[in-house]
Amino acid sequence: EEQLVESGGDLVRPGGSLRLSCSASGFPFNYYAMHWVRQAPGQGLEFVSAISSDGESTKYADSVKGRFTIIRDNSNNMVSLQMTSLRPEDTAVYYCVKELKVRGVMFQFGHWGQGTLVTVSS
Amino acid sequence: EIAMTQSPATLSLSPGERATLSCRASESVGNDLVWYQQKPGQPPRLLIYGASIRAAGIPARFSGSGSGTEFTLTINSLQSEDFAVYFCQQYNNWVTFGGGTKVDIK
Repeated sequence: EEQLVESGGDLVRPGGSLRLSCSASGFPFNYYAMHWVRQAPGQGLEFVSAISSDGESTKYADSVKGRFTIIRDNSNNMVSLQMTSLRPEDTAVYYCVKELKVRGVMFQFGHWGQGTLVTVSS
Repeated sequence: EIAMTQSPATLSLSPGERATLSCRASESVGNDLVWYQQKPGQPPRLLIYGASIRAAGIPARFSGSGSGTEFTLTINSLQSEDFAVYFCQQYNNWVTFGGGTKVDIK
């Protein structure tokens, strides 16, 4: 069974930093692109970042470009999101998401973790 | 950026009825559209990709149709577990989500 377990969500002050992690199991992790998608409380979904299966290619939403960094460790089946210069509008549940197919970054979000809550507030 | 508009915002129906949800793109996305279901306190679940292909394990009462700018998710004979929020998303040009349609019990 595919599993994605996020961790690292917390309350942080504006301008602060946070690192989210996602541990994957139940599928060949190094074959799939991975994503982070967020959802502000009571709101819709917003793509945040993607990383190719080999980690060589990354993509970011304009709203986080230059502040967030996505990395992956295929030897340990982990993907992380380093977040800096956090703003109140970054407050959201952050989901770790597996690409649907083994075919690069296609933005077909096949399997979602339960999410981790990031709150940015003073 | 391609804008995705879902309608209606809320759909109130009874179990056993058919639900018809619409999603409109501001420009053509071909067949590059997916539908997700989200229940309270849970992550989204992929239902349909490629506009009309059911994901693994999704019941046959869920069907997707459309291409270009107009898409429809149909749920035949609503079951109690189908009352949820549904999102569409295009992946033809970058990625954008619709605002969602809530299907609630009438």
